Amino acid sequence: EDQVTQSPEALRLQEGESSSLNCSYTVSGLRGLFWYRQDPGKGPEFLFTLYSAGEEKEKERLKATLTKKESFLHITAPKPEDSATYLCAVQGGANSKLTFGKGITLSVRP
Amino acid sequence: GAGVSQSPSNKVTEKGKDVELRCDPISGHTALYWYRQSLGQGLEFLIYFQGNSAPDKSGLPSDRFSAERTGGSVSTLTIQRTQQEDSAVYLCASSLVGGPPWGDTQYFGPGTRLTVL
Repeated sequence: EDQVTQSPEALRLQEGESSSLNCSYTVSGLRGLFWYRQDPGKGPEFLFTLYSAGEEKEKERLKATLTKKESFLHITAPKPEDSATYLCAVQGGANSKLTFGKGITLSVRP
Repeated sequence: GAGVSQSPSNKVTEKGKDVELRCDPISGHTALYWYRQSLGQGLEFLIYFQGNSAPDKSGLPSDRFSAERTGGSVSTLTIQRTQQEDSAVYLCASSLVGGPPWGDTQYFGPGTRLTVL
């Protein structure tokens, strides 16, 4: 059974203080690892898809990386508007469903 | 372009009543998914439709839950005889392909918040 564990559960940063969010996973035949951002009362907003170990993708202050066991979402010089819950999910084997972690709630103080 | 839309945005019902939740996927997306997000829990998969294939119902928690997709587009999730534990946010997602070998990105709607009194 696919499993995703995200850590820490919550993270509080000062504006400009860079950090990383961790996503550890076990999956049979990884087809894709996905990062989403979710704001309160809204649906998840797609950020990145990573397909194979060694792959990296960037968007503004965010950079996602992937190894065979985990993925990191690096946030460089965060701003208060980066405050949200960040979700990691995997898709593997013949399954088309996504298996999600419980998310990391990021709070960035001005 | 238009994203995934869901209606209603909020639904309050009494225990024992039936409810229907609607999802309009992104135009051209052949795969449609339903997930449930409860307080303190991650998103959990409910059901998946791909084209004209039989749906994958492996995530439905009980036989009170059912879903259909008409004309390969709009989907309705029905919960019969609702219970308090059904209270959650129900999210719909769609994607272009929905099958191996590559992972394909799922785009989510805003969700329907269901409260069962």
